[in-house]
Amino acid sequence: AQSVTQLGSHVSVSEGALVLLRCNYSSSVPPYLFWYVQYPNQGLQLLLKYTTGATLVKGINGFEAEFKKSETSFHLTKPSAHMSDAAEYFCAVRGSAGGTSYGKLTFGQGTILTVHP
Amino acid sequence: DTGVSQNPRHKITKRGQNVTFRCDPISEHNRLYWYRQTLGQGPEFLTYFQNEAQLEKSRLLSDRFSAERPKGSFSTLEIQRTEQGDSAMYLCASSPGQGGNQPQHFGDGTRLSIL
Repeated sequence: AQSVTQLGSHVSVSEGALVLLRCNYSSSVPPYLFWYVQYPNQGLQLLLKYTTGATLVKGINGFEAEFKKSETSFHLTKPSAHMSDAAEYFCAVRGSAGGTSYGKLTFGQGTILTVHP
Repeated sequence: DTGVSQNPRHKITKRGQNVTFRCDPISEHNRLYWYRQTLGQGPEFLTYFQNEAQLEKSRLLSDRFSAERPKGSFSTLEIQRTEQGDSAMYLCASSPGQGGNQPQHFGDGTRLSIL
């Protein structure tokens, strides 16, 4: 079974500062990894995904994430935070083909990002 | 591409009543998923369909829950004899195929409140 741990339920940064949201996963096979963002009373919007190939993945709104197999991590970063980045962020892992969890996403607990002016 | 549509957006009902939610996936997406999200938590998988076939159900999906996807298009999720613990956001997602690299696209959810 897959699992995801997001370190830090709340992260607060100043506008213009670096954003770093941490995600560690557990998977017995090469995972597919995703970051989603959720604004209040809305569904989840895909920020970026890692499947195979390049380990540094670029997404929308200036976000990127790096897949590090040796650390089983997929941390999300953005060089300069904007007020509009304030939201809740979820890391998710998808089961591999042939496994019982293939298809469904397993999510972390989420990290609420606050951006101060 | 009009996105995943969910109705209603909000549902308030009394304990013991039955409720039904609808999800219209992105057209031509043959996979459809239901998740439940409680306050302060990440979404939890409930069930998913490949076309009209329900391929997997979570242990979270008790006998009071039933989901259908007739004709492989829209889907409904029904909860019978609702309980306080059913209060949550119910999210629907769709994806175009079996590939693990295909992202799931989410609707805005239906928020259920049980009085």
